Amino acid sequence: DTEVTQTPKHLVMGMTNKKSLKCEQHMGHRAMYWYKQKAKKPPELMFVYSYEKLSINESVPSRFSPECPNSSLLNLHLHALQPEDSALYLCASSQGLADAYEQYFGPGTRLTVT
Amino acid sequence: GENVEQHPSTLSVQEGDSAVIKCTYSDSASNYFPWYKQELGKRPQLIIDIRSNVGEKKDQRIAVTLNKTAKHFSLHITETQPEDSAVYFCAARTHAGGTSYGKLTFGQGTILTVHP
Repeated sequence: DTEVTQTPKHLVMGMTNKKSLKCEQHMGHRAMYWYKQKAKKPPELMFVYSYEKLSINESVPSRFSPECPNSSLLNLHLHALQPEDSALYLCASSQGLADAYEQYFGPGTRLTVT
Repeated sequence: GENVEQHPSTLSVQEGDSAVIKCTYSDSASNYFPWYKQELGKRPQLIIDIRSNVGEKKDQRIAVTLNKTAKHFSLHITETQPEDSAVYFCAARTHAGGTSYGKLTFGQGTILTVHP
């Protein structure tokens, strides 16, 4: 299995809602990532987990809360989002954090905040 | 931090022609350079990568060259096909020794259109 999966594919939420994005990989990768991508722009790194511990937080607002329940799963909890948070949210994984490990992306969740 | 510039931002070619996309990077410590292809509404897909100890790598119609001295790397696609149409992103990653993390810095992307 060489795939990263994400659910849901699409999500529409109001600014007062609480929702969660889910990501799963069964490649035995020990590093997992959340990226945000606006249309026709490159992915922007949000969070990095290594061995289920948060390693990097790229100064992301607290309305985004990541969680790594185990080595295969990564969640992103959303609360009180703004319309400008509408984007494609991509999960990725790699074998580890060391240099030159390939990152594999999931299909993304298309989020619309109304 | 690392800065990656990618050119051109759009590229239009006829089927069968070659396409070349160029990226420059600023951090001489960067040692891993992947290229991603992203079709409309799809995930970024790793198509080829190169490490700093190699000058060129080829995979069928796709090749990547790296000039460490000039700090630039290029993607070459030969015999282009309509299905090559997509957004292509280059990226550079700085060496992450020990417990430090080497962030993957992306270029701004190139929209490639291959006309039949």
